[in-house]
Amino acid sequence: GAVVSQHPSWVICKSGTSVKIECRSLDFQATTMFWYRQFPKQSLMLMATSNEGSKATYEQGVEKDKFLINHASLTLSTLTVTSAHPEDSSFYICSASLREGGDDEQYFGPGTRLTVT
Amino acid sequence: RKEVEQDPGPFNVPEGATVAFNCTYSNSASQSFFWYRQDCRKEPKLLMSVYSSGNEDGRFTAQLNRASQYISLLIRDSKLSDSATYLCVVGNNDMRFGAGTRLTVKP
Repeated sequence: GAVVSQHPSWVICKSGTSVKIECRSLDFQATTMFWYRQFPKQSLMLMATSNEGSKATYEQGVEKDKFLINHASLTLSTLTVTSAHPEDSSFYICSASLREGGDDEQYFGPGTRLTVT
Repeated sequence: RKEVEQDPGPFNVPEGATVAFNCTYSNSASQSFFWYRQDCRKEPKLLMSVYSSGNEDGRFTAQLNRASQYISLLIRDSKLSDSATYLCVVGNNDMRFGAGTRLTVKP
């Protein structure tokens, strides 16, 4: 099956710093990538959808200037949490879809656990 | 109304029991339906797609009812290893996740 990796898997940072999370599709080209966050004991919340070479589409309530998404190639998308605060501490998961739009099976990365102190 | 709704549970069942989850969706134009399984602190993994004609994979059976806008997942002969959160996912150019139903299978 298709493999998606994320890096780092776990990061602790101080309040006010920025953190970049990478999401890579290892053995396929992902037309569309998605970024989710998940709080403890809650479901995934879609943050944004990105298609290679175009600007990400953010969900309502997600600050695009705070969560910068870059999808520069068909195998790499990055999420940068700028000026992180403790309330940004969460589990961030990316997924990739073969089909544009993403209404096809999604392949998930292992997630990145962010803790902001 | 949420786009995708699930009973959060928890469902606590003994080994060997049959358990069923339902999931309702609000967008009648939805085209794709899936059940994902998520273990604690891990990423979701696809359990099965849900087809209009219904589909079965071993102990798992998924069904779609377009008229009533719900999908279901039936697990027969529950195993301890089935303990997880089951996420209903509905797609129409994007994917919407339900809140998940927590299942605990006890010996």
